[in-house]
Amino acid sequence: ILNVEQSPQSLHVQEGDSTNFTCSFPSSNFYALHWYRWETAKSPEALFVMTLNGDEKKKGRISATLNTKEGYSYLYIKGSQPEDSATYLCAFPGNQFYFGTGTSLTVIP
Amino acid sequence: KAGVTQTPRYLIKTRGQQVTLSCSPISGHRSVSWYQQTPGQGLQFLFEYFSETQRNKGNFPGRFSGRQFSNSRSEMNVSTLELGDSALYLCASSLGGGAFGTDTQYFGPGTRLTVL
Repeated sequence: ILNVEQSPQSLHVQEGDSTNFTCSFPSSNFYALHWYRWETAKSPEALFVMTLNGDEKKKGRISATLNTKEGYSYLYIKGSQPEDSATYLCAFPGNQFYFGTGTSLTVIP
Repeated sequence: KAGVTQTPRYLIKTRGQQVTLSCSPISGHRSVSWYQQTPGQGLQFLFEYFSETQRNKGNFPGRFSGRQFSNSRSEMNVSTLELGDSALYLCASSLGGGAFGTDTQYFGPGTRLTVL
């Protein structure tokens, strides 16, 4: 069983603040690292699939970086908006998909 | 393009019964994965099917099984239900052509199973 850890567990920020969270995963046998956003009462939505060390991906105000050598990925949200409130999950495919427990983000208007 | 659909959306069963959940992937997607989400455990991988074959499996007992049909639709079966099987069951589809885990997954809305 692989360990995928996310921190912090939860975060409350003011509208307009920028924020970031971390996903840590095993640095050996790396295939990919997935980020998802999961809003309450909706399906998890894929944000990024990252495959290369040093990868940086961007979608609007959200971006992610990847360091496969040290086994971590950062997700950044610039200028947080209330609609960014969700749980952000990362997933590491090994012999199965291993999900972190997520970072719950609340953006206060 | 229609998204991933799951039926039924809600289900109530009693201990000892069995249940079958269905997942229809996005058209053209050949891989379907199933996940269990419980408050205490987070999202847990059950299994993945690709072209009617189980390609990967999580750490669940044999009571949990699945299959995939030639049109890529997938079913998941849980036999001899236990109280602890109460959860949200999600399926996700992907193109499936690359190495396991490198394709974007698209999730369905889930089936909420309650076992009494």
